[in-house]
Amino acid sequence: DTGVSQDPRHKITKRGQNVTFRCDPISEHNRLYWYRQTLGQGPEFLTYFQNEAQLEKSRLLSDRFSAERPKGSFSTLEIQRTEQGDSAMYLCASSPRGPAFFGQGTRLTVV
Amino acid sequence: DQQVKQNSPSLSVQEGRISILNCDYTNSMFDYFLWYKKYPAEGPTFLISISSIKDKNEDGRFTVFLNKSAKHLSLHIVPSQPGDSAVYFCAARGVNTDKLIFGTGTRLQVFP
Repeated sequence: DTGVSQDPRHKITKRGQNVTFRCDPISEHNRLYWYRQTLGQGPEFLTYFQNEAQLEKSRLLSDRFSAERPKGSFSTLEIQRTEQGDSAMYLCASSPRGPAFFGQGTRLTVV
Repeated sequence: DQQVKQNSPSLSVQEGRISILNCDYTNSMFDYFLWYKKYPAEGPTFLISISSIKDKNEDGRFTVFLNKSAKHLSLHIVPSQPGDSAVYFCAARGVNTDKLIFGTGTRLQVFP
């Protein structure tokens, strides 16, 4: 399977814990995006990378959120001190420039 | 500020008929538009896109129309099939950015 891969698919964590998600993009895509989706809403942009450079970051991304893409390959999204409001589907996508192709997402539940 | 709007939360269409999903946008700097389909518990799947220099793009049963003066785009699915039942999102990208802004989605149900 050469699509976008996300790990884990599901994560349940206690409030206050840190969590980290991983995304492996389609290999020839230099752009990588993170989105968040809650029930009844469309995906909301969080941040994106072109190669290893983080070029844009949403105001939605508080100081508790950090994303990295070392060496321009896979990416990680970390959420520190999770809150119940962080419960959502976290989507990763990659693109050569045109349409973005999404992974299956990581569903985070904060209890 | 919702820059991309899908005002119909749901649409029900008989199999074999045309499905028309609508999307409005407010930002005149958007120059690239896309439609995605999403099944429950999966990520969005890219369907079709259109650049602002065109007013129509077709791919099999899917056609996207863009009316720049009205800041409106639509997705036509002909003929509709039960497997088309999903949530459809339109998205837009601005001139100097790579980020996509999504609408809130329209749930399409195609019944036999």
